[in-house]
Amino acid sequence: GIQVEQSPPDLILQEGANSTLRCNFSDSVNNLQWFHQNPWGQLINLFYIPSGTKQNGRLSATTVATERYSLLYISSSQTTDSGVYFCAVGTTTDSWGKLQFGAGTQVVVTP
Amino acid sequence: NAGVTQTPKFQVLKTGQSMTLQCAQDMNHEYMSWYRQDPGMGLRLIHYSVGAGITDQGEVPNGYNVSRSTTEDFPLRLLSAAPSQTSVYFCASSDRDSFTYEQYFGPGTRLTVT
Repeated sequence: GIQVEQSPPDLILQEGANSTLRCNFSDSVNNLQWFHQNPWGQLINLFYIPSGTKQNGRLSATTVATERYSLLYISSSQTTDSGVYFCAVGTTTDSWGKLQFGAGTQVVVTP
Repeated sequence: NAGVTQTPKFQVLKTGQSMTLQCAQDMNHEYMSWYRQDPGMGLRLIHYSVGAGITDQGEVPNGYNVSRSTTEDFPLRLLSAAPSQTSVYFCASSDRDSFTYEQYFGPGTRLTVT
C-alpha cells in the first residue's frame, strides 16, 4: 500500500514563530487531507488539498502532486496550535472513505 | 447538527468479552469509517462503508465486524476482546457528493482490554 511519511516527528515552537510541516507519499493520490488533533484528542479537518495551495487564516497548505509531497505552514503560532498534525491520503484506486494516515507531527507551542 | 457521535467514551473489557462501539452521524453522509489510534502512531483503518448495506475491510480488520443497515449508523463489534485491541477508536464520515471530501471525526472511544 501507499506509504505516508511526515516530518519532523516533533516540533517545539515559541509563540509567534512560523513553521513548516512536510508530508511525503509514495504513490499518486486523489485525496489528501490535513488534520489537527488537539490535546483532548479531537480530530479536526484543516484542509482537503490533493493539489494546489489553500489558505485558512494563519494556516496554509501546498500539495505538489507530481513530486508527491505536501506542506503545511503555520504562521504566527499560538499555544492553541499545539497538538498533533496528521496528513492522510487516498489513492486513485481507493474509495473516498479510505484514508492512509502518516504518523503525525507533534507540535508544542510555548508561551 | 450533532455531527458524528460515538458511545461509550470509555470502556474496560476483560479478555474474551464482546462489545459493540456505536457510531452515528446526522449529516446524511454516504461514507463512514472506523479507525484505531495507538500511542505514537497515526490512525489505521479498520473497516469502512460507502453506503447502507456496503462494507469493506481496511488495513487492520481482524477481530472486528461491522454492518451498515442505515445511512446514519455504523457500529463496530469486537467479537472476542484481546489486550492488543486496547486503543482509541475513532469513527468518521464524509459526504460523497461534497466538493471537499472532508472527513468528520467523532470524539473517540478509549478502550482498555485487561
